[in-house]
Amino acid sequence: AQSVTQLGSHVSVSEGALVLLRCNYSSSVPPYLFWYVQYPNQGLQLLLKYTSAATLVKGINGFEAEFKKSETSFHLTKPSAHMSDAAEYFCAVSEGGAQKLVFGQGTRLTINP
Amino acid sequence: DTGVSQDPRHKITKRGQNVTFRCDPISEHNRLYWYRQTLGQGPEFLTYFQNEAQLEKSRLLSDRFSAERPKGSFSTLEIQRTEQGDSAMYLCASSLTTGGANEQFFGPGTRLTVL
Repeated sequence: AQSVTQLGSHVSVSEGALVLLRCNYSSSVPPYLFWYVQYPNQGLQLLLKYTSAATLVKGINGFEAEFKKSETSFHLTKPSAHMSDAAEYFCAVSEGGAQKLVFGQGTRLTINP
Repeated sequence: DTGVSQDPRHKITKRGQNVTFRCDPISEHNRLYWYRQTLGQGPEFLTYFQNEAQLEKSRLLSDRFSAERPKGSFSTLEIQRTEQGDSAMYLCASSLTTGGANEQFFGPGTRLTVL
């Protein structure tokens, strides 16, 4: 079965600084990978997805992620943090024909003024 | 806006009571998923439907949990004889199978508190 590990349950950066959220996955087959964002008391919103078309994936709100098969990683980055980026971020891998999502435990991103 | 909707948004109940949650997916989506999210954790898959067929329910947490999607449109998730450990956010998502990586669109969730 697939699994996802997010390193760091809480990341804090200054406004304007680089954001780096780490995600490692395990999968026996080429995976579909996703990053979702969750604002307080809301559902999850898709930031970006990897589907093997390109290893560098660009998403919404200036986020991007790079798929590295050799490292089984799919880290999320944003060059310059904005206060509105403060939220919970989840990395997920799609499993099986049902494409049910297996999520990591999440990383809470805090932006300091 | 025709996103995924869930009702109610919040439910407080006493231990032992039954509760039912409703999910209305995006209208043309054929797949519907239920997840549970506890505090500080990522969502955990419970079950899913393709049209009206429930194709996987092995992850439903116990026989107190059941889900239906009677006409392939809205779905309900019922928890019988609730326990305090059932307190969580219950999320619904829908998707359209396209042959590739299908994006799941999530609803706002139903937060259940069992007293």
